[in-house]
Amino acid sequence: AQTVTQSQPEMSVQEAETVTLSCTYDTSESDYYLFWYKQPPSRQMILVIRQEAYKQQNATENRFSVNFQKAAKSFSLKISDSQLGDAAMYFCAYRTVYNFNKFYFGSGTKLNVKP
Amino acid sequence: EPEVTQTPSHQVTQMGQEVILRCVPISNHLYFYWYRQILGQKVEFLVSFYNNEISEKSEIFDDQFSVERPDGSNFTLKIRSTKLEDSAMYFCASSVGGNQPQHFGDGTRLSIL
Repeated sequence: AQTVTQSQPEMSVQEAETVTLSCTYDTSESDYYLFWYKQPPSRQMILVIRQEAYKQQNATENRFSVNFQKAAKSFSLKISDSQLGDAAMYFCAYRTVYNFNKFYFGSGTKLNVKP
Repeated sequence: EPEVTQTPSHQVTQMGQEVILRCVPISNHLYFYWYRQILGQKVEFLVSFYNNEISEKSEIFDDQFSVERPDGSNFTLKIRSTKLEDSAMYFCASSVGGNQPQHFGDGTRLSIL
């Protein structure tokens, strides 16, 4: 079974600085999708960024970018120029291409942004 | 921007009672999902629904759970006889296609007393 691990339960970053959230996963599959979701307090989970495993190029979305290391099964999220609104719970998620039905989520990393 | 909406935001129920959690997926989405997150734990998949039937369910989704799309807009999760361990945040999600990103609702916090 696939597992997703986020080893940092909580992190803090100064406003305008850069922070990297770690995620590792375990799978025997060669093709899959990886996602980062953001969950502000008492709000819905919002898709931040998505990566297809067959693409070597790291996905970017404005201030958000990933470092996808397929061999190491690592998928970290870098947030540049951190803003107060970035404070949230961040979940890394895995989805196989063979079954679109469900995600496997990590336990989440709570990001605090200090003014 | 269209959103997945869930009601109520917080539900308090006595153990043994039935509870229905409601979700309105994004209107042109065809795939629907329920997840739950017990406090301090991972988000866990419960069930997926497509074309008016369950397409997949996890081991958590036992006989006390059921889902329904009673009309063209709502997608409900029913727990027949609630247990203390059902206390969790329940998230509904929808996607336009099976391989498209899922959009999540705000969640319903279910507290079983």
